[in-house]
Amino acid sequence: KQEVTQIPAALSVPEGENLVLNCSFTDSAIYNLQWFRQDPGKGLTSLLLIQSSQREQTSGRLNASLDKSSGRSTLYIAASQPGDSATYLCAPGRGSTLGRLYFGRGTQLTVWP
Amino acid sequence: NAGVTQTPKFQVLKTGQSMTLQCAQDMNHEYMSWYRQDPGMGLRLIHYSVGAGITDQGEVPNGYNVSRSTTEDFPLRLLSAAPSQTSVYFCASSYSQGAENIQYFGAGTRLSVL
Repeated sequence: KQEVTQIPAALSVPEGENLVLNCSFTDSAIYNLQWFRQDPGKGLTSLLLIQSSQREQTSGRLNASLDKSSGRSTLYIAASQPGDSATYLCAPGRGSTLGRLYFGRGTQLTVWP
Repeated sequence: NAGVTQTPKFQVLKTGQSMTLQCAQDMNHEYMSWYRQDPGMGLRLIHYSVGAGITDQGEVPNGYNVSRSTTEDFPLRLLSAAPSQTSVYFCASSYSQGAENIQYFGAGTRLSVL
């Protein structure tokens, strides 16, 4: 069974800092990996998807890297803003189990002005 | 384009009652799934469907039924609600299970079973 661990569990930083959120997973036989954002009381919003053949993806101030062989992914957030405050979830996916995602518990991020 | 729509947003049930959580998507997605999210735990897969007429169990299927009569709809039925089913339920969909396909989530249904 795929086990997903996200470190740190919580992070509180002042505005402007560059951040690193870590995700590790036990089964490297994945098709892709998605990073999601979840605001309190809301659903999940997909931020980035990295296919297993890719090493990284970028969207604006966000950059996600994937090292499939070592079972690790990292989400970098540049120049953090208070609006980035949310829980960030990592979810590797296995096509062999029909698109199923496995979720970590998330990193709760607070960016204060 | 509404995306993935879940109803109701909130529900309170008494133990033993039954209900159906609705999920509809307007993106012509083949793959749909239901997850539950509990405090301190990651989302866990309940049931999923790879197309109309095809469903299968996920990680925590007990106490839940699903059916997929149309591409658009994937309702989740609680047969006899129990306090352990108090949770937030999310429906998700994607075009296929391919590596390049993003999964889209609904806003969730918050269920309390008393």
